Amino acid sequence: NAGVTQTPKFQVLKTGQSMTLQCAQDMNHEYMSWYRQDPGMGLRLIHYSVGAGITDQGEVPNGYNVSRSTTEDFPLRLLSAAPSQTSVYFCASNRRDRATGDTQYFGPGTRLTVL
Amino acid sequence: DAKTTQPPSMDCAEGRAANLPCNHSTISGNEYVYWYRQIHSQGPQYIIHGLKNNETNEMASLIITEDRKSSTLILPHATLRDTAVYYCIASSGTASKLTFGTGTRLQVTL
Repeated sequence: NAGVTQTPKFQVLKTGQSMTLQCAQDMNHEYMSWYRQDPGMGLRLIHYSVGAGITDQGEVPNGYNVSRSTTEDFPLRLLSAAPSQTSVYFCASNRRDRATGDTQYFGPGTRLTVL
Repeated sequence: DAKTTQPPSMDCAEGRAANLPCNHSTISGNEYVYWYRQIHSQGPQYIIHGLKNNETNEMASLIITEDRKSSTLILPHATLRDTAVYYCIASSGTASKLTFGTGTRLQVTL
């Protein structure tokens, strides 16, 4: 299994540009999430999904859109990039299982710079 | 999810046990204690979790106090590769909404 994959690894955008960060998992996990991590900070939840067709907002959703058309993929769209969105973005997935609950598997991250 | 409190940093000599504390005094009965770590700038890695009983796996041991208000992650024989930021998280596990604090930066030295 490849686990959780994210593309691209690095991206530089100009203010106002839009782009999509890709995330895919091959573990057939129901839950997927997007986090951002600013320098010296912990991760903050942007959006999450509990299954195909179902998404919800996390702690910092403004400026981002998500959709979940398949179990495997959970893309994150930046609508109009701003310098405040310069961050490292992590995608995660986990199985819906009361025992393993929040045992999330994280991707390697996308490092985004907005000029 | 209950708030957790961890020391910002700790040092440990290689080969010795690293004991990382975490306070979660407002944890509710259905919340598990999870530990993750983040090495350098990689994605966080799951270590261990528990509800009431002590737990052990190939990576670490988790000791939870009887009143569940605090816990300790134990790395029995720390190596340089264990240098990382360790996050303690209390979560009910009902959805993928982990709340990461700033964690403990563990430095393992020779």
